[in-house]
Amino acid sequence: GAGVSQSPSNKVTEKGKDVELRCDPISGHTALYWYRQSLGQGLEFLIYFQGNSAPDKSGLPSDRFSAERTGGSVSTLTIQRTQQEDSAVYLCASSLNQFRGMNTEAFFGQGTRLTVV
Amino acid sequence: AQTVTQSQPEMSVQEAETVTLSCTYDTSESNYYLFWYKQPPSRQMILVIRQEAYKQQNATENRFSVNFQKAAKSFSLKISDSQLGDTAMYFCAFIGGSQGNLIFGKGTKLSVKP
Repeated sequence: GAGVSQSPSNKVTEKGKDVELRCDPISGHTALYWYRQSLGQGLEFLIYFQGNSAPDKSGLPSDRFSAERTGGSVSTLTIQRTQQEDSAVYLCASSLNQFRGMNTEAFFGQGTRLTVV
Repeated sequence: AQTVTQSQPEMSVQEAETVTLSCTYDTSESNYYLFWYKQPPSRQMILVIRQEAYKQQNATENRFSVNFQKAAKSFSLKISDSQLGDTAMYFCAFIGGSQGNLIFGKGTKLSVKP
């Protein structure tokens, strides 16, 4: 597609349920980032991928959070046993190149608004 | 570890005036990129301007320009002739070195008043 696509755009789930959030990056982009943004707050880094590998998982808040990327393309962020504090907007971004040359601009999706009730 | 600090949680400016948003960062890397992103109420993050650390000349994009002070690790954004559509959250971001992680500051909420 033309841009980064995230699905679903909104998700309401009951506390304790598992959720999967999906990110389709721009075709050919090797780097992919996940962030969490609470209401009116900044971007909290969760994880990033270079191809299918994740050099930095340091931002994942707990072992309930995991992410994978397959085929160097689609990524899923899974939250198990959701808690109310997981409620936030989850943003995904991709860039053509991790860090070399000019193509380091990250393009963002519209995000998934997760509400845990 | 790299960090990005935005010390102004909120700012306001009158339409047509100029405003400067501050950003400082900390890194031991010698080569890196710095960015300013805008996030309007629609939630869509948009790149405003970027600066490569090895370039001494400050980047400009129409009404947006930066003051990049490498020694001071400062990267401020100047918006000239502010417009109502500039109302948004503005985030300073950094990428560089072996980490390759794109790190954001906490943001500055800018309100442009008519």
